[in-house]
Amino acid sequence: AQSVAQPEDQVNVAEGNPLTVKCTYSVSGNPYLFWYVQYPNRGLQFLLKYITGDNLVKGSYGFEAEFNKSQTSFHLKKPSALVSDSALYFCAVRRNRDDKIIFGKGTRLHILP
Amino acid sequence: GAVVSQHPSWVICKSGTSVKIECRSLDFQATTMFWYRQFPKQSLMLMATSNEGSKATYEQGVEKDKFLINHASLTLSTLTVTSAHPEDSSFYICSASQRPGNTIYFGEGSWLTVV
Repeated sequence: AQSVAQPEDQVNVAEGNPLTVKCTYSVSGNPYLFWYVQYPNRGLQFLLKYITGDNLVKGSYGFEAEFNKSQTSFHLKKPSALVSDSALYFCAVRRNRDDKIIFGKGTRLHILP
Repeated sequence: GAVVSQHPSWVICKSGTSVKIECRSLDFQATTMFWYRQFPKQSLMLMATSNEGSKATYEQGVEKDKFLINHASLTLSTLTVTSAHPEDSSFYICSASQRPGNTIYFGEGSWLTVV
């Protein structure tokens, strides 16, 4: 069965500094990987996805993620954090194009002004 | 990006009554819709997958008779919580994709409070 691990419950970063939100996955075959962001009392917004191709994926709001097959990781990154990036971030995996999406437990990102 | 709309955004109902939550894909036809439940400060728990015109596939531990899912058209899926109890109070989120493999878009969620 597929699973997703987000080892950090919360990440604190000073505004302007680079940020990384970690994600590792466990799935057989070639995974479909996603990052979503959730603001308080709201649904999820799609940030980016990796299916195939270049390991570095660029997404919305200046975010990017790097797929590392050997480490089974898909960490979310941004070169310069903004206070408005403060939110709950979910990593998700899909075993194949027809399968359900499984979410990690989420990481709360807190950008300090 | 694609828009998925949920209605109502929040609802309060009495114990023992039923409540329906709608999920609509506004600018695309959704062959598959997913229903999730999220408890405070926790991740999303997949409840069921619904495919247009067929019965929903429920995840293990989810009562299909309590959480009725209908996906009667390519733009609408409904979740009905029957005989609601306070423990059913939660944030319910739907998502939809146009075709298998496409990006999945999420609704804004619906807060259900059972009193």
